[in-house]
Amino acid sequence: DVKVTQSSRYLVKRTGEKVFLECVQDMDHENMFWYRQDPGLGLRLIYFSYDVKMKEKGDIPEGYSVSREKKERFSLILESASTNQTSMYLCASRIAGAGARNIQYFGAGTRLSVL
Amino acid sequence: AQSVTQPDIHITVSEGASLELRCNYSYGATPYLFWYVQSPGQGLQLLLKYFSGDTLVQGIKGFEAEFKRSQSSFNLRKPSVHWSDAAEYFCAVGARAGGSYIPTFGRGTSLIVHP
Repeated sequence: DVKVTQSSRYLVKRTGEKVFLECVQDMDHENMFWYRQDPGLGLRLIYFSYDVKMKEKGDIPEGYSVSREKKERFSLILESASTNQTSMYLCASRIAGAGARNIQYFGAGTRLSVL
Repeated sequence: AQSVTQPDIHITVSEGASLELRCNYSYGATPYLFWYVQSPGQGLQLLLKYFSGDTLVQGIKGFEAEFKRSQSSFNLRKPSVHWSDAAEYFCAVGARAGGSYIPTFGRGTSLIVHP
């Protein structure tokens, strides 16, 4: 079974802190994603990574950056956390090659609260 | 660009009753369509997918969905709902956007099951 592991289920941070959310997948998938999930808004794509060291902005990249130094790990960084970044963050991975046909596998999510 | 509409924010059914969750998409070509389920506190799990061929697709947990090109719909159905089906359901369309295949998710439908 594919496993996508997000390092923290819950995080509480202070405004202005630099926050790292980590995601690791164990299936050698090329593509990895970070989404933000808010009630009534569904999943919104923050960043997408094609492969190691490759990234593309999603729909809401402002206030976020990402790092993909190794294939299995995709990190989401909040440079200076703000209260409006309080949310559930979901990581996903998928095989590349057949484009949209490939299914995404999701982690359990990290619920971040910024106080 | 593609878009997905899930018209119902909440659906309430009694256990044992039938279920239909609506999904409409907008895309110029044949889309790849997905239904995911998110149980409380969990990530998303794939229920079923449509790529081509038979327009009625079977998924896990007794769910099925029918692709209707003329109505741009991909509605999810289950003949008899169980209390454990209470969850958030997301429809997604995978289509080419620029140089990538980026899935677009609907806002989700929350299913409430009464005993």
